[in-house]
Amino acid sequence: EADIYQTPRYLVIGTGKKITLECSQTMGHDKMYWYQQDPGMELHLIHYSYGVNSTEKGDLSSESTVSRIRTEHFPLTLESARPSHTSQYLCASSEWDSSTYEQYFGPGTRLTVT
Amino acid sequence: SQQGEEDPQALSIQEGENATMNCSYKTSINNLQWYRQNSGRGLVHLILIRSNEREKHSGRLRVTLDTSKKSSSLLITASRAADTASYFCATLDTGRRALTFGSGTRLQVQP
Repeated sequence: EADIYQTPRYLVIGTGKKITLECSQTMGHDKMYWYQQDPGMELHLIHYSYGVNSTEKGDLSSESTVSRIRTEHFPLTLESARPSHTSQYLCASSEWDSSTYEQYFGPGTRLTVT
Repeated sequence: SQQGEEDPQALSIQEGENATMNCSYKTSINNLQWYRQNSGRGLVHLILIRSNEREKHSGRLRVTLDTSKKSSSLLITASRAADTASYFCATLDTGRRALTFGSGTRLQVQP
């Protein structure tokens, strides 16, 4: 099992609320990622980070924001949740200088916005 | 659009049978990786094949790569009910050092 954690695992919240999805890893990986995945569908990269103070937008436009103040921590924030944000959010990490860039995934957060 | 596309989208077989999933991609690659996702969970790395390799084995898994056709296949032999999951191929975007995942094959193994 990879040492990458996500909390909460499940979240049901009303429209307009601010939420933060937590992701932390204990492997010392520099690179971290956030993916959005609808049930049974493909993964879409929404944010990634090369290291501390680095954040980049991914392929899928997202109203969420991320921060990387510490190597091990990569939280994702939605300032005002909407039903269209209902999805599963997966966090992952990988080594910076890996020749393979194998990614290690957390268990995911399933978000439902009512 | 996704770099990798899996085929079939869904596959249902009986325990003991072999399962074959295919992945096609669009650009040149450094390596191709296969991941497994149990329902409602994160992805787990299964096997990696480099662009200069044609075939690789790991336990009951066999992966092939044809760079001329830009395709790969994952074979699971003697399947078990516990193999029920979604399987994704992934290729490396060297510019961003990030993986791009295919659409996945949902495998159901009936006991």
